[in-house]
Amino acid sequence: GEDVEQSLFLSVREGDSSVINCTYTDSSSTYLYWYKQEPGAGLQLLTYIFSNMDMKQDQRLTVLLNKKDKHLSLRIADTQTGDSAIYFCAESKRGTASKLTFGTGTRLQVTL
Amino acid sequence: DAGVTQSPTHLIKTRGQQVTLRCSPKSGHDTVSWYQQALGQGPQFIFQYYEEEERQRGNFPDRFSGHQFPNYSSELNVNALLLGDSALYLCASSRGNFYNEQFFGPGTRLTVL
Repeated sequence: GEDVEQSLFLSVREGDSSVINCTYTDSSSTYLYWYKQEPGAGLQLLTYIFSNMDMKQDQRLTVLLNKKDKHLSLRIADTQTGDSAIYFCAESKRGTASKLTFGTGTRLQVTL
Repeated sequence: DAGVTQSPTHLIKTRGQQVTLRCSPKSGHDTVSWYQQALGQGPQFIFQYYEEEERQRGNFPDRFSGHQFPNYSSELNVNALLLGDSALYLCASSRGNFYNEQFFGPGTRLTVL
């Protein structure tokens, strides 16, 4: 079945790198996403990766996908206080790409 | 461009009542998906509307129903409200019902007493 898991909390110092991890169970997952949710706000798509890719880089964000282990990670370089938020990993499948299955979210706290 | 808008922002209902939530998609988008986000959880897919029809549905009971209008806006209706229906209801819009980036609205916070 579909299951996406994340650790609940991560604390990093401003300027350090953050790595948020996610595991998923469904090998037919085709698209994998990272969303950011700030307090009282909706979800903002940060980046996504197709399952036939290993890595994607977009400015301060690097996504790594290990399809064999069904492991996805999001690295944020030079983490800033404005990066404090909840980060959700999500997956979808070919043909049902609008149906997203989300993890429980990782709360990132950035300290000075 | 106003982006995805949802109304109302907050809503308080009592058990057994019915509620209607509204969503206007981003300009140029024709597909609307609804998600329920309970406190401390990730969003869960309720259903998706495209061309005024329900195209996909998640694991939610028939008490949850919806509608899409010719202008692509959408409503989510929940009947016979339960305490467990208390959540943030998120609407997302996209262009086409295959893969396209989904833009989320700010949500409607529903509290059932």
